[in-house]
Amino acid sequence: GAVVSQHPSRVICKSGTSVKIECRSLDFQATTMFWYRQFPKQSLMLMATSNEGSKATYEQGVEKDKFLINHASLTLSTLTVTSAHPEDSSFYICSARGVGASIYEQYFGPGTRLTVT
Amino acid sequence: EDQVTQSPEALRLQEGESSSLNCSYTVSGLRGLFWYRQDPGKGPEFLFTLYSAGEEKEKERLKATLTKKESFLHITAPKPEDSATYLCAVQASGGSYIPTFGRGTSLIVHP
Repeated sequence: GAVVSQHPSRVICKSGTSVKIECRSLDFQATTMFWYRQFPKQSLMLMATSNEGSKATYEQGVEKDKFLINHASLTLSTLTVTSAHPEDSSFYICSARGVGASIYEQYFGPGTRLTVT
Repeated sequence: EDQVTQSPEALRLQEGESSSLNCSYTVSGLRGLFWYRQDPGKGPEFLFTLYSAGEEKEKERLKATLTKKESFLHITAPKPEDSATYLCAVQASGGSYIPTFGRGTSLIVHP
């Protein structure tokens, strides 16, 4: 149980275009979803937290107009990188936390490698 | 402010050489402490949750323990496939519901 999927696993896009990444909890209801960014050989950097049906809460320094997060249902959250630039190239990972006995445990998706050319 | 410090940053072991990874934490009240394993290019994989001092959990060659100030991840007779980065995170009982992650320990097990 507690499986989180992400799609796509890899994406290459041109500078100026937008990219949408989907995060789904497959076997539980995710009341909270987190989006992280990770640079090579560095730890996780939290970008934003979203609760189902509410606006996302962004960490300091993260541009909310650039990284649009939608947590439309208890099983789906999306991250849209708008007007992507090469500096947005990174590894993006979502995680989900849900209803149940272990509500504080986060389960991570496999990540999405974004390359902006 | 909640803090999590993991040590060492990197650890190299020979296959079969047991060792421990440390996670020291400062938190206003501990709701839970979590261990994850992350392989290169993949998302972290959940390993354990510990809730109170004295608690221990085991999975194959891994055993996690918890005190009021730190947690240890003991690796017994490691194999090369145990090579990964191990992350520790804490969830405080009050204030922010966002967990705090450590920077991880990169473990390499040589055959």
